[in-house]
Amino acid sequence: NAGVMQNPRHLVRRRGQEARLRCSPMKGHSHVYWYRQLPEEGLKFMVYLQKENIIDESGMPKERFSAEFPKEGPSILRIQQVVRGDSAAYFCASSPFVTENTEAFFGQGTRLTVV
Amino acid sequence: RKEVEQDPGPFNVPEGATVAFNCTYSNSASQSFFWYRQDCRKEPKLLMSVYSSGNEDGRFTAQLNRASQYISLLIRDSKLSDSATYLCVVNLAYGGATNKLIFGTGTLLAVQP
Repeated sequence: NAGVMQNPRHLVRRRGQEARLRCSPMKGHSHVYWYRQLPEEGLKFMVYLQKENIIDESGMPKERFSAEFPKEGPSILRIQQVVRGDSAAYFCASSPFVTENTEAFFGQGTRLTVV
Repeated sequence: RKEVEQDPGPFNVPEGATVAFNCTYSNSASQSFFWYRQDCRKEPKLLMSVYSSGNEDGRFTAQLNRASQYISLLIRDSKLSDSATYLCVVNLAYGGATNKLIFGTGTLLAVQP
């Protein structure tokens, strides 16, 4: 059973380009979470999705960022018109269901560098 | 006030030492609590859940004080391999409607030979 798969592992974009980060949850997991970790900082919650639904996007910047988790295929975090401040590690996590003590399993992350 | 606060460290300790990390959280509605470990440039991994009754896993002991909104992690007989960043994590799970992990900024532990 493969773990949470994120790709690409490293992504370099010029300012103004779009970045697409993909996350395939563990088999059987229908809940996906995206977190951002800025250099020397902790992980910040961005968004929580179930299949075809955004449940909680309270951590998403209001502009340029969007996320989806379609019925088929991976979850996508999309950043339009990237800026230098978007450079960070973006981690995806998944869980099979939601209870108070559900463990979330993390992917290895995508390191985005904006030049 | 941050939702989850930790001393960033670094904690530099010799092998075999006992070290304790503390964490406070601000939201009294928080439902569950965890310690995660993150190695340099790697993903976070669950170390242990934290229960009100306290729980122990080998050399690791976690405690929760809901009245004081305080969580602790004790590591006994430190090993070189324990060197990592330890993340205090609080889950704002409102009756299953959402499952949002809030991370502290982490405490860096460096175990010296």
